Amino acid sequence: EIVLTQSPATLSLSPGERATLSCRASQSIRTSLAWYQQKPGQAPRLLIYDASNRVTGIPARFSGSGSGTDFTLTINSLEPEDFAVYYCQQHSNWPTFGQGTKVEIK
Amino acid sequence: EVQLLESGGGLVQPGGSLRLSCAASGFTFTNYAMNWVRQAPGKGLEWVSSISGSGSSVYYADSVKGRFTISRDNSKDTLYLQMSSLRVDDTAVYYCARGIRGHPWFFDIWGRGTLVPVSS
Repeated sequence: EIVLTQSPATLSLSPGERATLSCRASQSIRTSLAWYQQKPGQAPRLLIYDASNRVTGIPARFSGSGSGTDFTLTINSLEPEDFAVYYCQQHSNWPTFGQGTKVEIK
Repeated sequence: EVQLLESGGGLVQPGGSLRLSCAASGFTFTNYAMNWVRQAPGKGLEWVSSISGSGSSVYYADSVKGRFTISRDNSKDTLYLQMSSLRVDDTAVYYCARGIRGHPWFFDIWGRGTLVPVSS
């Protein structure tokens, strides 16, 4: 099983700042990675797939990068609605998710 | 509007069975792989099972293999998850999720989820 490790566990930032979230895979997954946002009491929402493809309707301040084992989700200029938990997910074999990074208001 | 609506959750005793349903609307159901993903209270996401658009291919996480069965009725635009031999650690919100066309292992539409508490 491919293990995804997200860091940091919690990111404390102020609106307007840039958030940089990391996801590391236990072995190469090429670009088979997605990012989801989840707010309390809601279902996850797909933001990015294939490491860097933004889903239609997702604001341009969200961007993904990386390949192989190291991936990054960047949120430029945090908006109040961006404070949430973010999960990465791979499907190189069976789908697995990272443990999540909580982006909280500082 | 593209929508998924789960139903069938509820309290069940360890060793019991339950069938979840997910009604799809707003898209051509048969064109998409469908999935179940669960989330234990206060925990992260765990993929449970997937089924191809035709229903001919199914996949399971090791944690549920042999106990859960995924199926779909394309005439009713409905996805199912038959769960048996339930354990306390199966307690979770169960989401159905649509696979992206061409990238079926990434999930672009999710239902609101249905809670399955397993407890005596």
